[in-house]
Amino acid sequence: GENVGLHLPTLSVQEGDNSIINCAYSNSASDYFIWYKQESGKGPQFIIDIRSNMDKRQGQRVTVLLNKTVKHLSLQIAATQPGDSAVYFCAENGAGGYNKLIFGAGTRLAVHP
Amino acid sequence: DADVTQTPRNRITKTGKRIMLECSQTKGHDRMYWYRQDPGLGLRLIYYSFDVKDINKGEISDGYSVSRQAQAKFSLSLESAIPNQTALYFCATSSGTGGINYGYTFGSGTRLTVV
Repeated sequence: GENVGLHLPTLSVQEGDNSIINCAYSNSASDYFIWYKQESGKGPQFIIDIRSNMDKRQGQRVTVLLNKTVKHLSLQIAATQPGDSAVYFCAENGAGGYNKLIFGAGTRLAVHP
Repeated sequence: DADVTQTPRNRITKTGKRIMLECSQTKGHDRMYWYRQDPGLGLRLIYYSFDVKDINKGEISDGYSVSRQAQAKFSLSLESAIPNQTALYFCATSSGTGGINYGYTFGSGTRLTVV
């Protein structure tokens, strides 16, 4: 069947440490990427975005790195806090334009005190 | 009030029953989407609509139908629910004009269980 009960990869970190969450995107034509945070029982929330003409963008405590050569995106969270515990996933715009986004499966971040 | 409201939040239904999930928005966006989320599979697009007269199938539209009743309302129907449609369903809107986040706003989701 469709749902084989796959489990999300989990990253466990200590409070105060830095976290790095990785994403491999699929379409070399994608030129816009977004990171989302999804807390339990809630819809995805925008964290940060980056366009393909950049390889790094910083926000508040978060940094996104883009490596177009290997189609890889990462999200770095500085001084991780318990409130950062959530599922994080990336999205790309596929063939470009503003039609619709393609979402990755996600990584669960667990922050331990 | 939330920008994108989904009802119901939780629903348990029996195999073969018809069920409708509703979505309404106050963002004034033209574009609306229905996604399905399963563990380990991320968000998959079921249907999307770029305006009231425009309906498009996404990657997993089989077994689903939609209705765009107004700019602010986009409903998803399961004509005859089956257990593998058990999932978390999200409605989203976007401005369609690019810019930050493409203007995407998500609802809080509907957890559907088909028994």
